Amino acid sequence: EAGVAQSPRYKIIEKRQSVAFWCNPISGHATLYWYQQILGQGPKLLIQFQNNGVVDDSQLPKDRFSAERLKGVDSTLKIQPAKLEDSAVYLCASSLTGVGEQYFGPGTRLTVT
Amino acid sequence: AQSVSQHNHHVILSEAASLELGCNYSYGGTVNLFWYVQYPGQHLQLLLKYFSGDPLVKGIKGFEAEFIKSKFSFNLRKPSVQWSDTAEYFCAVNARGDYKLSFGAGTTVTVRA
Repeated sequence: EAGVAQSPRYKIIEKRQSVAFWCNPISGHATLYWYQQILGQGPKLLIQFQNNGVVDDSQLPKDRFSAERLKGVDSTLKIQPAKLEDSAVYLCASSLTGVGEQYFGPGTRLTVT
Repeated sequence: AQSVSQHNHHVILSEAASLELGCNYSYGGTVNLFWYVQYPGQHLQLLLKYFSGDPLVKGIKGFEAEFIKSKFSFNLRKPSVQWSDTAEYFCAVNARGDYKLSFGAGTTVTVRA
C-alpha cells in the first residue's frame, strides 16, 4: 500500500515570505495530522482533521499558520508570514480512525533565513 | 495533558551489545504507548505499541518493550543490536480514547560496527 506522500521535501525561504506544504494520506484514512518537529525535539501536533473537519487546532499559531483538507483527502498547511523560529520539519500523518497507529510521511524540511 | 520523558539523548553502542532506552510519561489515566523509529533518511515508522493485555510487547526487528504501570514507564529493549539499528527512537503516549499523541524528545542510537 502506498504511504503518506508529502511535498516538497525541502524548502528554503526568507523570513516574512509565505510557504505551503502538501500532504496526501493513505487511501481510506479518515484522520490526518500535521506535526512540527524542531531540531532536537519530538514531533508536536499542530492540527488534526477527521475527514474534512478540524478536530483539534489548539496548538496551531493561527495568526500565521492555516491548514485545510478539501474533500477529506489531501491537505495543505500554509505559513504566512514565516518567522525564523518556524524552521523545522513538518510531518504529515494519517490513521484509519482517530486513535491507534499513525502512519507518517517523509516530512518537509523548512529553513527560514 | 500528558508529557513524555526519554532519559537519554544519545546512546553509542557496539554491535551485539544490549540496548535499553528509558521512557516515562506523566498521566494518571489509562494510556496507549508507542515506540517509533526513524532510520537515517527515512520517515517515522512504528516499532511497537501497547494498548492492553500482556505488558511485555514484542515489535519488529527483535525489539520489545515492557509497560510498568506503577512506574509510568515503557522502556524499549533489544538484547543484541546490529549496525542497522542506528536510528532515532521516539516514545509516544496518548490517553485511552484520545487521539492526541505526545512524543518524547527522542534518543539517537549509534551502533558501531
